[in-house]
Amino acid sequence: NAGVTQTPKFRILKIGQSMTLQCTQDMNHNYMYWYRQDPGMGLKLIYYSVGAGITDKGEVPNGYNVSRSTTEDFPLRLELAAPSQTSVYFCASNTRRVVGELFFGEGSRLTVL
Amino acid sequence: KNEVEQSPQNLTAQEGEFITINCSYSVGISALHWLQQHPGGGIVSLFMLSSGKKKHGRLIATINIQEKHSSLHITASHPRDSAVYICAVHLNTGTASKLTFGTGTRLQVTL
Repeated sequence: NAGVTQTPKFRILKIGQSMTLQCTQDMNHNYMYWYRQDPGMGLKLIYYSVGAGITDKGEVPNGYNVSRSTTEDFPLRLELAAPSQTSVYFCASNTRRVVGELFFGEGSRLTVL
Repeated sequence: KNEVEQSPQNLTAQEGEFITINCSYSVGISALHWLQQHPGGGIVSLFMLSSGKKKHGRLIATINIQEKHSSLHITASHPRDSAVYICAVHLNTGTASKLTFGTGTRLQVTL
């Protein structure tokens, strides 16, 4: 029972580089989310998706892009990495928009130097 | 002011103690989550509740909608309970984006 799987777990990027954080869930959940967690702050929503082909911006979308071509996959793309994007990133999913148990991935720690 | 406030920020307890972590929020909500995050690890959902009380093993979560307050209790605490506990609320806008998180309570349980 894999749940939500994120890769990579750790990555160091140079300023200006690009990368994609992968997120896959095997629970057939419609709703998927990308959050970032900064020290001393609550998780902030970057992007979310309510189903394949549908995505929308969260609170802090600048510098990121997403796609949702399948129900299972929700990759997060960083185009031109900046030090402000140093953070821990979490992918999550749930079945229902408002009231539904949240399932999180293990997190991806990204450092931009 | 944050929409979700947790207290205390840090908590140290001895094994066996009864622990309470509080969460207050400032606007109407549809549901509230309690989450657990171990050091260097992922985040696990403990409870989701919209009224009353839920219990799972040594963990109890309560919510008072009128007072906009929730508590997470741990009975007979154990070192393996050491983690960050996060409160998150679904605001009453009804959109997927409106899940607001507290900054977490760091719990350390010692022998």
